[in-house]
Amino acid sequence: GIQVEQSPPDLILQEGANSTLRCNFSDSVNNLQWFHQNPWGQLINLFYIPSGTKQNGRLSATTVATERYSLLYISSSQTTDSGVYFCAGGNLYNQGGKLIFGQGTELSVKP
Amino acid sequence: KAGVTQTPRYLIKTRGQQVTLSCSPISGHRSVSWYQQTPGQGLQFLFEYFSETQRNKGNFPGRFSGRQFSNSRSEMNVSTLELGDSALYLCASSQEIHTEAFFGQGTRLTVV
Repeated sequence: GIQVEQSPPDLILQEGANSTLRCNFSDSVNNLQWFHQNPWGQLINLFYIPSGTKQNGRLSATTVATERYSLLYISSSQTTDSGVYFCAGGNLYNQGGKLIFGQGTELSVKP
Repeated sequence: KAGVTQTPRYLIKTRGQQVTLSCSPISGHRSVSWYQQTPGQGLQFLFEYFSETQRNKGNFPGRFSGRQFSNSRSEMNVSTLELGDSALYLCASSQEIHTEAFFGQGTRLTVV
């Protein structure tokens, strides 16, 4: 089955810095999402991005489906950006809506 | 529009007991999936339901089961609980199988 590798596993930033999180897939995916897990455990949707580029405020994401990777950019980071970021992907044709999650990137933004 | 609602939020059970968790999807969503999150294994897929039918199942023992009702609400059941079943159980809903998934706040199960 599909395997998802996220990097880096941990990231410590000063407030105001920019960062890039990466997600690599072992096989082609046509269903891809980025999430931020809040301290209470809920997964908050950031992007649904099987391909292309999207932006939402200080966050943007790019998926290059042909090369099996996705990037999440966080600009001008704030302490409230701290937490764990997950990417998850799947193949709708042979796995339905099943999402395979990466192990996450734990981001800590220091004031 | 209300989000995905999971009940209960927290649960403590004893080994050998069984437990039922509930998930109410976003109104109009017909697909419900369940995931287990543990520190050691991360987030793992349990099942996916659409129109009351299980469409996909993860690699979990038969003690884990689920169902979906005609109003799209879903329940999952774990029988003969083991200590290793302690986890955060997350439910996700989507309009169709191939659309964006939205997650509930989860049920944190502790088995003692």
